[in-house]
Amino acid sequence: QVQLQQPGAELVRPGASVKLSCKASGYTFTSYWMNWVKQRPEQGLEWIGRIDPYDSETHYNQKFKDKAILTVDKSSSTAYMQLSSLTSEDSAVYYCARSNSMITTSWFAYWGQGTLVTVSA
Amino acid sequence: DIVLTQSPASLAVSLGQRATISCRASESVDSYGNSFIHWYQQKPGQPPKLLIYRASNLESGIPARFSGSGSRTDFTLTINPVEADDVATYYCQQSNEDPWTFGGGTKLEIK
Repeated sequence: QVQLQQPGAELVRPGASVKLSCKASGYTFTSYWMNWVKQRPEQGLEWIGRIDPYDSETHYNQKFKDKAILTVDKSSSTAYMQLSSLTSEDSAVYYCARSNSMITTSWFAYWGQGTLVTVSA
Repeated sequence: DIVLTQSPASLAVSLGQRATISCRASESVDSYGNSFIHWYQQKPGQPPKLLIYRASNLESGIPARFSGSGSRTDFTLTINPVEADDVATYYCQQSNEDPWTFGGGTKLEIK
């Protein structure tokens, strides 16, 4: 079965960077877009971007273009998202979510459990 | 960006009754004869779960009590009959155009 494993939590200092991981299993990693979604406490969902694990082609929400960098390691079937220059506005749960296909009109078929990022001194 | 406006923001429905949630898009989300609106259910402390894709297609394993309809800019998620396990927040999402966007969510409670 498809599984997306994410660490439960990260505590980071303001101004620092953090690299979040999402280890995929149960399917061919390079055959589906991997997405990242942000959810602030008691708030809605924001799509950050997606990456094609086959060739690392990326598409970003312009809002996050200077904040997030998406990468993959095909050898370990792991997707990563690096967040930089962290502020309190970046404190949120970050989900990885696999698309159902490689078309650009796809949807989020599977979700990780999310990583809670807390930015605090 | 395509803005998705959900209404109501919250609703309380009696067990066994119908719940209807609306999602209105700021522009058409139709392409290639399909409507690229999808619906998710999120319970506290859990990730969202796909219910409906392409406006009206029920995801595998989702009860037939859930249904979706609509086209172009106006879409509806219906739950009929509502069960206690349906208490959650529901989101619509569009993938017709980058950036993919979500509605603000509708919180369903039992009356």
